[in-house]
Amino acid sequence: DADVTQTPRNRITKTGKRIMLECSQTKGHDRMYWYRQDPGLGLRLIYYSFDVKDINKGEISDGYSVSRQAQAKFSLSLESAIPNQTALYFCATSGGGNSETQYFGPGTRLLVL
Amino acid sequence: AQSVAQPEDQVNVAEGNPLTVKCTYSVSGNPYLFWYVQYPNRGLQFLLKYITGDNLVKGSYGFEAEFNKSQTSFHLKKPSALVSDSALYFCAVRDIWRGNTGKLIFGQGTTLQVKP
Repeated sequence: DADVTQTPRNRITKTGKRIMLECSQTKGHDRMYWYRQDPGLGLRLIYYSFDVKDINKGEISDGYSVSRQAQAKFSLSLESAIPNQTALYFCATSGGGNSETQYFGPGTRLLVL
Repeated sequence: AQSVAQPEDQVNVAEGNPLTVKCTYSVSGNPYLFWYVQYPNRGLQFLLKYITGDNLVKGSYGFEAEFNKSQTSFHLKKPSALVSDSALYFCAVRDIWRGNTGKLIFGQGTTLQVKP
């Protein structure tokens, strides 16, 4: 969905390096999310933010940190990358309310050597 | 605890035949249920959702899903499959039980292969 963009789309890095993945949205949504996708495991929630001043850990937050720079921007950082963080990372956004649909970005494919 | 199960890793169907991709869920309260599709090298695209009301929900690309509360299921269906429907399909549930933060829980995904 072009309303949610992620950069970079692909990244190769080495163990121990710091890396940042960025997400921007033009949908005007308050809520933003970071997921990782691994084969056979579906999507797992890393962090989520319901507004600029609200940051919450998901089910697999260890080794990750996030920054909500503005309503439209939500970045994910790997402070010291390790090989088992090799995955496909998705950003998503939604409006307020539990019935709201989440809309996903195109994903960032990360390889940690 | 909330959970979603997609019991089939892969579903194979011939073009023109009906297809079903299965999903069952477990929640504390009433569920909000979603189906997403992922085409190769693409993000997840929303197909449809059940919030309340009619148990049969119609969505994008001719897909529909049937909510069955007694069987805790939300199976995705299409009357006539197309080769272009071949993709990875995810079921997801949001538990709106009081005190829950409303996080979306995903199944592990089912690969649909439609053969000509």
